[in-house]
Amino acid sequence: AQSVTQLDSQVPVFEEAPVELRCNYSSSVSVYLFWYVQYPNQGLQLLLKYLSGSTLVKGINGFEAEFNKSQTSFHLRKPSVHISDTAEYFCAVRSGGYNKLIFGAGTRLAVHP
Amino acid sequence: DTGVSQDPRHKITKRGQNVTFRCDPISEHNRLYWYRQTLGQGPEFLTYFQNEAQLEKSRLLSDRFSAERPKGSFSTLEIQRTEQGDSAMYLCASSSKGGLAGETQYFGPGTRLLVL
Repeated sequence: AQSVTQLDSQVPVFEEAPVELRCNYSSSVSVYLFWYVQYPNQGLQLLLKYLSGSTLVKGINGFEAEFNKSQTSFHLRKPSVHISDTAEYFCAVRSGGYNKLIFGAGTRLAVHP
Repeated sequence: DTGVSQDPRHKITKRGQNVTFRCDPISEHNRLYWYRQTLGQGPEFLTYFQNEAQLEKSRLLSDRFSAERPKGSFSTLEIQRTEQGDSAMYLCASSSKGGLAGETQYFGPGTRLLVL
């Protein structure tokens, strides 16, 4: 079965500092990978996705992620964070034949002034 | 394109009552999914529709849960005889059919259920 591990439950960082949120997945077949962001009391917003092609994918709000097949990782990065980036971030992998997503437990990014 | 919408956004009910949630997917998306998210956790898959056909159900979906998508457009999720453990955020998502574009699920704002 496919699974997703987000290695950090919380990441505190100062404003304008770089950040990396780590995600590892397990799968024996080709995968599609996603990062979603969730603000308090809201649904999930798609940040970026890897479906095929270039392993470096760029998303909204200045985020990017790199698909590393050998390390089965899909880490999310931003070179300079803002207070408004404070939110919960979820890594997800497509599973099965019907597009079911398997999510990690989430990483809470807290940006401090 | 107004995105995925869900109604109600919040629901408080007493244990033992029945509740029903509605999801309206992005127009022309033929795939629809329900997920449940408990506090501090990532969403967990509940069920999946392609058009009106329910093609996959999670073991999380006990006999008290039922989902329908009668005309292949909106969907409803009903919980009968609610229990306190049903308290969660219920998320709906939709995706288009076919190809890589169909791999991306777009989520609604969720319905937060509190069972007292």
